[in-house]
Amino acid sequence: DQQVKQNSPSLSVQEGRISILNCDYTNSMFDYFLWYKKYPAEGPTFLISISSIKDKNEDGRFTVFLNKSAKHLSLHIVPSQPGDSAVYFCAARHGSSNTGKLIFGQGTTLQVKP
Amino acid sequence: DTAVSQTPKYLVTQMGNDKSIKCEQNLGHDTMYWYKQDSKKFLKIMFSYNNKELIINETVPNRFSPKSPDKAHLNLHINSLELGDSAVYFCASSHGAQGAADTQYFGPGTRLTVL
Repeated sequence: DQQVKQNSPSLSVQEGRISILNCDYTNSMFDYFLWYKKYPAEGPTFLISISSIKDKNEDGRFTVFLNKSAKHLSLHIVPSQPGDSAVYFCAARHGSSNTGKLIFGQGTTLQVKP
Repeated sequence: DTAVSQTPKYLVTQMGNDKSIKCEQNLGHDTMYWYKQDSKKFLKIMFSYNNKELIINETVPNRFSPKSPDKAHLNLHINSLELGDSAVYFCASSHGAQGAADTQYFGPGTRLTVL
């Protein structure tokens, strides 16, 4: 039973345009959400996060939106750059967890074409 | 200067063998993790240690045994390797602050192939 799902395995956008990566979750007890970026042959690196008490968090070209009623979050990258081409993982943390356990989605491969 | 390092990067072995993967972090973190990324690309937590104490132990076969000699190291030993153990294994570390936005830093991964 996968509690965090990224239903689009891949996404291709043109350089300079907006990239929108989506993530859905099923557990209403999740209270913190994160996006990680992964290049081939490297480990995931933290990109941006959002607490469940907010609906938007912005960091430069990256913005994460959270819709709790829909149990949906999205990552917007504007403008997209070729260096953004990577696998993006959505992750969630349970509110009552004191262990730091993260539940990851299966990732979306983003390709930004020059 | 690598923050979280894993050795080896690639490991090819026969079924039934015993192997270990080592992980070290130089970030001064208190908590370390092992994740498995299977063929479907999901990253799943296996174990977590906080200050050498086991705090997460997911439903993992007992052929997998983590060992934390100190809080900077978390090694993963696997006995009697099976074909289904083939995956990429990631080590991670974090400060371990409870209830806080605790960023996990990942190693580069170890690709294990069991023949």
